[in-house]
Amino acid sequence: EAGVAQSPRYKIIEKRQSVAFWCNPISGHATLYWYQQILGQGPKLLIQFQNNGVVDDSQLPKDRFSAERLKGVDSTLKIQPAKLEDSAVYLCASSLLADLDTQYFGPGTRLTVL
Amino acid sequence: EDQVTQSPEALRLQEGESSSLNCSYTVSGLRGLFWYRQDPGKGPEFLFTLYSAGEEKEKERLKATLTKKESFLHITAPKPEDSATYLCAVQTSSASKIIFGSGTRLSIRP
Repeated sequence: EAGVAQSPRYKIIEKRQSVAFWCNPISGHATLYWYQQILGQGPKLLIQFQNNGVVDDSQLPKDRFSAERLKGVDSTLKIQPAKLEDSAVYLCASSLLADLDTQYFGPGTRLTVL
Repeated sequence: EDQVTQSPEALRLQEGESSSLNCSYTVSGLRGLFWYRQDPGKGPEFLFTLYSAGEEKEKERLKATLTKKESFLHITAPKPEDSATYLCAVQTSSASKIIFGSGTRLSIRP
């Protein structure tokens, strides 16, 4: 069974530039999560999708971050414009169900904002 | 405010030296507690889910336990390949929020 795929694996940008990350979850998984993991910290949930609907985006900085999952499968997370403090690993995870289900994580995208 | 705290931040053990990692939580109702392992440059890998106080789960050299205020991850006779960061996360009853702790970096010396 293929795991969660993410691209790119690494990205370096200047502050105020835009960047987008892509995630392809495990086939059949209805729930998709985006996390931000700053070095030395645990992952912080940014947004949770159930199919193509948003379940929780309370910690998503909506003035600069946006995410979509148009067909209930792939998802993109965008930052526009980026700030220095956005430097982190962005993790995508998926699960079959939304509630108390095992999350399978992708390898992450390491973003460096200069 | 819902909070998850892990201790210690880092732990160095000799191969075969058993120990425990702690995850304490203050949340408005617990639906479930999860343990993950994270290797450098990789995403977290699921280990266990615990649902209620008194529950225990085991996998190879790892055993997770849960009380009303904290969870322990016991590692028995660890090997160098057990070196990783161990993360715990809780899912709260209110709005089913998922909150991760900062993790414990475990290093096992041969």
